[in-house]
Amino acid sequence: AQKVTQAQTEISVVEKEDVTLDCVYETRDTTYYLFWYKQPPSGELVFLIRRNSFDEQNEISGRYSWNFQKSTSSFNFTITASQVVDSAVYFCALSDPSNDYKLSFGAGTTVTVRA
Amino acid sequence: DSGVTQTPKHLITATGQRVTLRCSPRSGDLSVYWYQQSLDQGLQFLIQYYNGEERAKGNILERFSAQQFPDLHSELNLSSLELGDSALYFCASSRGSWLQETQYFGPGTRLLVL
Repeated sequence: AQKVTQAQTEISVVEKEDVTLDCVYETRDTTYYLFWYKQPPSGELVFLIRRNSFDEQNEISGRYSWNFQKSTSSFNFTITASQVVDSAVYFCALSDPSNDYKLSFGAGTTVTVRA
Repeated sequence: DSGVTQTPKHLITATGQRVTLRCSPRSGDLSVYWYQQSLDQGLQFLIQYYNGEERAKGNILERFSAQQFPDLHSELNLSSLELGDSALYFCASSRGSWLQETQYFGPGTRLLVL
């Protein structure tokens, strides 16, 4: 069963637009961890954020912000004022006890930012 | 740059062959993880080693094996290669043994089996 769903396969925006990536996860556990990673065209996976299930505070880091809502099992990611360098595949991942905390990745959302 | 290094960057080989992928973790990290990224399966966890010992296993085929050496570098051995093994193989590392810790990924090794 898919534990992490990233329903948007591809998103294309023009530079300076905001873009929000959806991530919906599935777990019966009360303690779990959520992650976002970025994979630019060069191929490496870059860590962006880790959040545990007890910390529902939203987070902002520069142009990036994350909205964690336990009530809807979502951990959405917004890029404000997008830039061409933001073009990448973004992965959401879940680590929970029912899977021995092994990372389960979503299928990824490809973001293309056009100049 | 995450500090995790992987060699080689690219590998082209034939079906039935055996290859070895190498990974050096970030300085101070004791855990090494291996992942496979393919178009049809996405990103899948293969195996974790912590301080030389196997710690957790994922969807790793019997034809694949790994080990972590005393200097903490790790090798992933893929044998009897099939076309379907063509993928991007990532190594990641973390400080401790817990899988829920942040894992930092290397640049990957792109394997093409012809």
